[in-house]
Parts: sequence; C-alpha cells; structure tokens
Amino acid sequence: TQLLEQSPQFLSIQEGENLTVYCNSSSVFSSLQWYRQEPGEGPVLLVTVVTGGEVKKLKRLTFQFGDARKDSSLHITAAQPGDTGLYLCAGFRAGSYQLTFGKGTKLSVIP
Amino acid sequence: GAGVSQSPSNKVTEKGKDVELRCDPISGHTALYWYRQSLGQGLEFLIYFQGNSAPDKSGLPSDRFSAERTGGSVSTLTIQRTQQEDSAVYLCASSPQNRAGTEAFFGQGTRLTVV
Repeated sequence: TQLLEQSPQFLSIQEGENLTVYCNSSSVFSSLQWYRQEPGEGPVLLVTVVTGGEVKKLKRLTFQFGDARKDSSLHITAAQPGDTGLYLCAGFRAGSYQLTFGKGTKLSVIP
Repeated sequence: GAGVSQSPSNKVTEKGKDVELRCDPISGHTALYWYRQSLGQGLEFLIYFQGNSAPDKSGLPSDRFSAERTGGSVSTLTIQRTQQEDSAVYLCASSPQNRAGTEAFFGQGTRLTVV
C-alpha cells in the first residue's frame, strides 16, 4: 500500500485553466513537502508545510496542509506551459528516517 | 559543482552482472538518501545514511542490493547479479540534516538498463 496517495495521476489542461492536485494519507506527518520533477532531472523542492491548516503561496501556486496533518493540496491558478512536469508530495512520519514520496501527478499544460 | 553529482548518468549492463552507482553529495550534508524511480512511478525509498551509518535499510528490495558511505561523503549503491526488473532511474539526495521539513537536494540520477 502506498503511504501517500496522490490524485489525479495524470492531468492535461489548457493554458489559463486552474487545477488542484491532492496528496492523502491515513498517517500523520511531521511535515509535507511538494517537489517538481522535469524529465531527466531530479526533483526540486517547491515548498514545505509544517503546521496543520497552514497555507503557503508561491506566485500562482497555493499549498495547503490539512488540519490533521494527513493530507495536502496544491492549487495552480492560470496554468502556464512552464508548469508542465511531475509533481510529487513527500513527508516524514514522526519517528521515521524515511522521506516518503507519493507516486506523483503528471501535469501537461497545453498552449 | 555545488550540487549532488551522480555517476554514471547512464548504464547498460547484461543480466547477471554487478553494477556500482556513485553519489557525491553536497559538501557538509550529513544525510544521504537513495531512491529508485521506475517508469511512471514515484520515488521508492531504498536506504538512508546519517554520516557513514545506515539506520534505515528497510527499502532495499533484496540482498542483491547494498550500499555504503565513506568519510561521511561519497556513497556507492551496488547491485549484484542484476535482473531486468532492476532497470530504473536511481536517484541520490542529500540533506544538511535529517529533520522533518529539511530540503532534500537531488542529483540527476543514474538510468540503469539491464538487458
């Protein structure tokens, strides 16, 4: 079983549309991170959320950590072709050394 | 360079051969992770190092896989008697400390193909 479930797995949208990607778990996480990965590259950190209910904004991207620290969402406003990539959520469970990743959401933004 | 460096970038090997994958982390980073990424999949945790010790080896898929880290720096992931299902991209990441919320910096990965 996957500790962090991401949905949707694939998303293809037109430029200018809004979208939301979800990351859910039955476990509590000390923090959750969102990474973006482009083909042939390693993932790059976008944001870290650590407090239940926390909302962080990064330009057109809005990240939210659930109140119970079991889930997170990434919302993109007015998507651009440059947003295309694989979005991965990751986190540490309390007391664990593993930085656990979800399977990712592959986003394609069509011009 | 200042980033995480992995070598080789690509490796094609015959089934049954042994391979060694190398990771040079960012200088001063004490935490080092190895992950495996198969096509269309997320990152599968393999092993974590704090300094030279590996407190968590739980992700290594079989006893054909082993890893070591020397001098608190370079790490080598060794796969013995490779199988076709070992084909994947192997990613290494380093972090200044293993604490929740600390950023992991990734290398570009080694693409392993077993034929």
